[in-house]
Amino acid sequence: KAGVTQTPRYLIKTRGQQVTLSCSPISGHRSVSWYQQTPGQGLQFLFEYFSETQRNKGNFPGRFSGRQFSNSRSEMNVSTLELGDSALYLCASSLIPSLGTDTQYFGPGTRLTVL
Amino acid sequence: SQKIEQNSEALNIQEGKTATLTCNYTNYSPAYLQWYRQDPGRGPVFLLLIRENEKEKRKERLKVTFDTTLKQSLFHITASQPADSATYLCALDHRDDKIIFGKGTRLHILP
Repeated sequence: KAGVTQTPRYLIKTRGQQVTLSCSPISGHRSVSWYQQTPGQGLQFLFEYFSETQRNKGNFPGRFSGRQFSNSRSEMNVSTLELGDSALYLCASSLIPSLGTDTQYFGPGTRLTVL
Repeated sequence: SQKIEQNSEALNIQEGKTATLTCNYTNYSPAYLQWYRQDPGRGPVFLLLIRENEKEKRKERLKVTFDTTLKQSLFHITASQPADSATYLCALDHRDDKIIFGKGTRLHILP
């Protein structure tokens, strides 16, 4: 069974631009979560989607948004990029949307650099 | 506010010995705790989950303990091998159905 895939793997943008990242969960998984990982803050929860609905959201500004499609694939968007948005963005999928109680499978991440 | 602390400094352990990593938390009582392994340039990989009513959980060479009185979890790797070198993250559930991760401890197993 194929794992979680994320595209692109690397991205370089400039301040003020926007970016869209994509995540394809493991086949049959309907829950997708997004995380931001930085050396200073560690791994921080962004949001979770299940059946095309956002179930939960972390403490990030409204510039961070996401959506999930009927095939469970998910995208996250960051508008008006800031230097501090440079990070590894990780997507995780699970069968059910109970964060932590079901095994989450992480993708390899998208490394975003904002110049 | 809720806080999770893991050893911020790298841990160097001789091959064959037991590596013990610590995860301390304050200001809340999680229902469960997870441990993940993360290698450079890759996403975390789930290792073990332990619930608040479980004192200990084992999986092969891994053992996790959960002390809700001390607000601490210990993660043990017995008979450590150089391939166990990685960053290990602990994560706890949050009341609002979110999950909070520690910043991780880098483990180096020295041959």
